Amino acid sequence: QKEVEQNSGPLSVPEGAIASLNCTYSDRGSQSFFWYRQYSGKSPELIMSIYSNGDKEDGRFTAQLNKASQYVSLLIRDSQPSDSATYLCAVLNSGYSTLTFGKGTMLLVSP
Amino acid sequence: GAVVSQHPSWVICKSGTSVKIECRSLDFQATTMFWYRQFPKQSLMLMATSNEGSKATYEQGVEKDKFLINHASLTLSTLTVTSAHPEDSSFYICSASGGGAEKLFFGSGTQLSVL
Repeated sequence: QKEVEQNSGPLSVPEGAIASLNCTYSDRGSQSFFWYRQYSGKSPELIMSIYSNGDKEDGRFTAQLNKASQYVSLLIRDSQPSDSATYLCAVLNSGYSTLTFGKGTMLLVSP
Repeated sequence: GAVVSQHPSWVICKSGTSVKIECRSLDFQATTMFWYRQFPKQSLMLMATSNEGSKATYEQGVEKDKFLINHASLTLSTLTVTSAHPEDSSFYICSASGGGAEKLFFGSGTQLSVL
């Protein structure tokens, strides 16, 4: 059973701080990793994708991947109250075209 | 960007009735659509993969006779929850692939409440 693990949180940070979200996965063959943001009662929206070891930056977001440790993270700089949501880590299953999602980490950014 | 329309957004029904949920890709052809279910504070669980013109592939533990999936065209997939029961109450989300996981677009979701 392929698993994706995330700390459910909530992770509370003050406005302007850096939020760090973490994810581990069990499928060593996975090559593609995604971070989604989901507001309560809404469907997920893609924030970042990462495929290679190292960092990938897009605006205030940085995804980090370490395949040897089977670890993916998402950093949000200058956190805003509007960033308050649940962040889902998703892993593309090796050999398939389906995604396995983690349970998500709830982020709360206080003004 | 690409749009996936899902309808209805929410539905309340009596136990024993059937509910149909539609998922449409509005500006692209989706050969593959996915149906997920999400319980409160849980992850999205893949229920089935729907391929246009062929039978859906169901994940382990999902009853194919209860959750009927039809993907009759490249822009429409439907999920019918037959003889719904309170334990089927959940948030159902479809997604459509425009080619690869990078181009996976989600519908707005359907909140099903079975009384």
